[in-house]
Amino acid sequence: AQTVTQSQPEMSVQEAETVTLSCTYDTSENNYYLFWYKQPPSRQMILVIRQEAYKQQNATENRFSVNFQKAAKSFSLKISDSQLGDTAMYFCAAHLSGTYKYIFGTGTRLKVLA
Amino acid sequence: NAGVTQTPKFRVLKTGQSMTLLCAQDMNHEYMYWYRQDPGMGLRLIHYSVGEGTTAKGEVPDGYNVSRLKKQNFLLGLESAAPSQTSVYFCASSLGGVAGAGEQYFGPGTRLTVT
Repeated sequence: AQTVTQSQPEMSVQEAETVTLSCTYDTSENNYYLFWYKQPPSRQMILVIRQEAYKQQNATENRFSVNFQKAAKSFSLKISDSQLGDTAMYFCAAHLSGTYKYIFGTGTRLKVLA
Repeated sequence: NAGVTQTPKFRVLKTGQSMTLLCAQDMNHEYMYWYRQDPGMGLRLIHYSVGEGTTAKGEVPDGYNVSRLKKQNFLLGLESAAPSQTSVYFCASSLGGVAGAGEQYFGPGTRLTVT
């Protein structure tokens, strides 16, 4: 069975510092996509970053970047220059290409401290 | 584009009452989903649809029914609400198919409380 594991239920970081959120996954498929979603207190799920498994280069979006280790099945999210607006729940998710299936982790609650 | 919309945003039901949650998307997506979100459990798939007129069970389908009569709409029904169905419900859509290797787009969520 495919699974996504986020082992850090809660984290905190000082404003302007860097924080890394961990995610591991398990799938026997070769074609898949990985995502990080942000859910602020407003509840809206917002896509932060995506990574295609067939790409070796790590995805980056402004202050957000990933460390994708395919062999280790690891997909961590690095947030640089943390801002108060980054305070949110972050979900890691995997999507098996060509299927309906999206698998979510249980989330990491990140608090950015002033 | 409005993206994915959900109505209502909040609802309180008494045990045994019924209700329907409406999800609409204007992105011409084939796939639509209903999830529930409970503390510490992430998102759990209730039902999904891979096209107009089709539906299928997800991980936690008991106590819910769905319909997809039009491509843009996906309805979630609770026939006889129970306190265990107190949750936040999210609708999502995605392009679907082999070409649809992209992300899901989510609605704003519906907070449902069953007393």
